[in-house]
Amino acid sequence: DGGITQSPKYLFRKEGQNVTLSCEQNLNHDAMYWYRQDPGQGLRLIYYSQIVNDFQKGDIAEGYSVSREKKESFPLTVTSAQKNPTAFYLCASSMGPLSYSPLHFGNGTRLTVT
Amino acid sequence: EDKVVQSPLSLVVHEGDTVTLNCSYEVTNFRSLLWYKQEKKAPTFLFMLTSSGIEKKSGRLSSILDKKELFSILNITATQTGDSAVYLCAVGTLGEETSGSRLTFGEGTQLTVNP
Repeated sequence: DGGITQSPKYLFRKEGQNVTLSCEQNLNHDAMYWYRQDPGQGLRLIYYSQIVNDFQKGDIAEGYSVSREKKESFPLTVTSAQKNPTAFYLCASSMGPLSYSPLHFGNGTRLTVT
Repeated sequence: EDKVVQSPLSLVVHEGDTVTLNCSYEVTNFRSLLWYKQEKKAPTFLFMLTSSGIEKKSGRLSSILDKKELFSILNITATQTGDSAVYLCAVGTLGEETSGSRLTFGEGTQLTVNP
């Protein structure tokens, strides 16, 4: 079955450590996205990539980094520069432009930093 | 700045009730409005609306868009406990040439359906 796989489901880290969240898709979608979800707030876009070897900052990119070396993979690194990293992170992909193509989401990674 | 506001933020009903969830927006270069259902983890797509007044329907769920008054509603009839979820509204816009299309999400409405 086609879909998006995020791993791990839960991640615990100490403050000051970088951590990488995995996102793999087999939907053959060109575009991939990372969102952050916090209680009481809508999903906020961190980074997106419309094609391999290219990515753009979203609305809250500070303290995060990404890479897109393969079409199927779009890992997100949460660096120690991110002031409030504890959140639920969702990876998504779409077949076409955001405003016309529904997003397909992974099951998310819940990151807790203490 | 684009803005999407959902109401109510939280709603508790009994099985069999009908509910209406609201989504209003203030955006530049509107292109579409999308509804998603999120049960614990991955949001799943429900509807995409681009034209005013045309109802989209899927089983007990239906949605309609009013581009003049800048809002959409999501109706769920004969609610079941399985409808309990967060319902997310998102508005798609076409940005500047360099930024392409964007999606702005509302906070979501937490619906709880009690037996």
